[in-house]
Amino acid sequence: QSALTQPASVSGSPGQSITISCTGTSSDVGGYNYVSWYQQHPGKAPKLMIYDVSNRPPGVSNRFSASKSGNTASLTISGLQAEDEADYYCSSYTRSSTYVFGTGTKVTVL
Amino acid sequence: EVQLLESGGGSVQPGGSLRLSCAASGLTFSTYAMSWVRQAPGKGLEWVSAIGGSGSGGGTYYADSVKGRFTISRDNSKNTLYLQMNSLRAEDTAVYYCAKDLGALAHNNNDYWGQGTLVTVSS
Repeated sequence: QSALTQPASVSGSPGQSITISCTGTSSDVGGYNYVSWYQQHPGKAPKLMIYDVSNRPPGVSNRFSASKSGNTASLTISGLQAEDEADYYCSSYTRSSTYVFGTGTKVTVL
Repeated sequence: EVQLLESGGGSVQPGGSLRLSCAASGLTFSTYAMSWVRQAPGKGLEWVSAIGGSGSGGGTYYADSVKGRFTISRDNSKNTLYLQMNSLRAEDTAVYYCAKDLGALAHNNNDYWGQGTLVTVSS
């Protein structure tokens, strides 16, 4: 199972909105509504930001939103803040009853 | 407060074995699906394995890269998750995280994570 494709890096200024894409196939992202997104700061464990395509767990800021269209899922961060600078990973269920993560995106706040 | 504490990592030669443990507290452990996710040094996340919680049938799932070599299990009486790793390869070198799912089904919706334990496979 190949990793889902994410842009290596995305950047934005404080207050701006950015969107991270996560592209898979009909055998993973496009076939199931089990896409999640994680934030990981350096040296820390990942943090769940979005589950089941567009749901936020308790305590996650509503500046984070997500959606899916076809084989591509997207995470949008609105009102970008310095604390949002981190690596972001998508994940999807696959037809093989396994899970696959994306390649990861480094978000830089300018 | 939910806490997950991994142990059992270390250095091992290729072909060797290790057993990782993850002690859970602050939750009704048996209820939830649990997973192992790893991260090679400087690399991205890789899903390794998952086991369902009670009510889900407790099914086990493995990445192709570890199938047949790794075994996930849980002891609900001890609130502990395990990962038995055999026939280790250099490419298994990584920090291994245990993680708790939101529900009984293993959906890789992991809302709590341990601090990770480093496994190094080298001769």
